[in-house]
Amino acid sequence: DAKTTQPNSMESNEEEPVHLPCNHSTISGTDYIHWYRQLPSQGPEYVIHGLTSNVNNRMASLAIAEDRKSSTLILHRATLRDAAVYYCILRDPNNAGGTSYGKLTFGQGTILTVHP
Amino acid sequence: GAVVSQHPSWVICKSGTSVKIECRSLDFQATTMFWYRQFPKQSLMLMATSNEGSKATYEQGVEKDKFLINHASLTLSTLTVTSAHPEDSSFYICSASGTSRFTGELFFGEGSRLTVL
Repeated sequence: DAKTTQPNSMESNEEEPVHLPCNHSTISGTDYIHWYRQLPSQGPEYVIHGLTSNVNNRMASLAIAEDRKSSTLILHRATLRDAAVYYCILRDPNNAGGTSYGKLTFGQGTILTVHP
Repeated sequence: GAVVSQHPSWVICKSGTSVKIECRSLDFQATTMFWYRQFPKQSLMLMATSNEGSKATYEQGVEKDKFLINHASLTLSTLTVTSAHPEDSSFYICSASGTSRFTGELFFGEGSRLTVL
């Protein structure tokens, strides 16, 4: 599985933008870049995903480098509710011997702290 | 958005007993579901891939006879922890794909916290 590298932790102030980086230098041409976040004692929540082009949704924006070896999750105005562990994950849709089915393998993620 | 629900949210059992956790996709059909386990202050670890109508595929190091997975319908997958021991105490989370089965977002359940005494 292609791996991702994220900073262990980041801090932000409320209502300021947050840029969460992710390196994935071994990404393959078919890997989709996914971001999820997890609050304590809850299951992960989908944030955004993309393949090559930058993506926007109501939660965040995803900026993907031209060579796809890195990406950045952008929270435009952080709120206290955005404090969570953010995971950058590569999802490989290739069906490797009938067992892959695009599984997600989680790394350690980035702990985002938002200060009032 | 799509909803995945787990039951029970938490369970306490005695050592040696078996515990079943259900994972349901409430408003969509999930051909494939994934089961994860998460220990305190650690990341999620994929245990197995559950495929409707066929045997589950287990990740390396996960005992298939201890963690029984059944995916009998397109909306229900179950994980049974057999002969549970204190080291099996963990947060178990399931997830399912939406319409873009292999590439799109995964929807996660709320998690089930198992405590084995």
